[in-house]
Amino acid sequence: AQSVAQPEDQVNVAEGNPLTVKCTYSVSGNPYLFWYVQYPNRGLQFLLKYITGDNLVKGSYGFEAEFNKSQTSFHLKKPSALVSDSALYFCAVREATGANNLFFGTGTRLTVIP
Amino acid sequence: NAGVTQTPKFRILKIGQSMTLQCAQDMNHNYMYWYRQDPGMGLKLIYYSVGAGITDKGEVPNGYNVSRSTTEDFPLRLELAAPSQTSVYFCASSYTNGRNYEQYFGPGTRLTVT
Repeated sequence: AQSVAQPEDQVNVAEGNPLTVKCTYSVSGNPYLFWYVQYPNRGLQFLLKYITGDNLVKGSYGFEAEFNKSQTSFHLKKPSALVSDSALYFCAVREATGANNLFFGTGTRLTVIP
Repeated sequence: NAGVTQTPKFRILKIGQSMTLQCAQDMNHNYMYWYRQDPGMGLKLIYYSVGAGITDKGEVPNGYNVSRSTTEDFPLRLELAAPSQTSVYFCASSYTNGRNYEQYFGPGTRLTVT
């Protein structure tokens, strides 16, 4: 069975500091991994994905994520947080050879403090 | 492109009433999905479709029905509304061709059943 864990419900970071939002996953085979962001009263927006290749993936708005197969993790990072990054972040996974259905984590609310 | 559109944005139903949530996409995507998002939870897949005329159940299909008569439209039907169906519903689409797997989401429909 596929699953995603986001161990932190809430992450607070000061503006200008680096941020990390954690995600670990469980799948039977190779994973396809995704990060989405949700602003209030909006749908989810795609940030970045890992399918294959370099373990460090760069995405929208200066975000990046590092795939670590041995730790089954896919943490989201940004070198310098902006107040406008405050939102709800979701990690999602699907199996490489399975159906195209995503399994989402419960979300992490990021608050960037001015 | 309008992307993925959903109507209505808000709806209040009485127990036992029925309604259809509309979803349309203008990106010629082959896959379409319906999710529900409950407070503090990740998104749960209700139904999905891999193309016109083909639908399949997701993780939480009970109490819902779908149809896909065209590539563009994927309505979700609630036949006998129950309080447990109070949620925010998101429609999504994707074009899955062996390279692209990310899903694009609509703005959501907030449904309350009382």
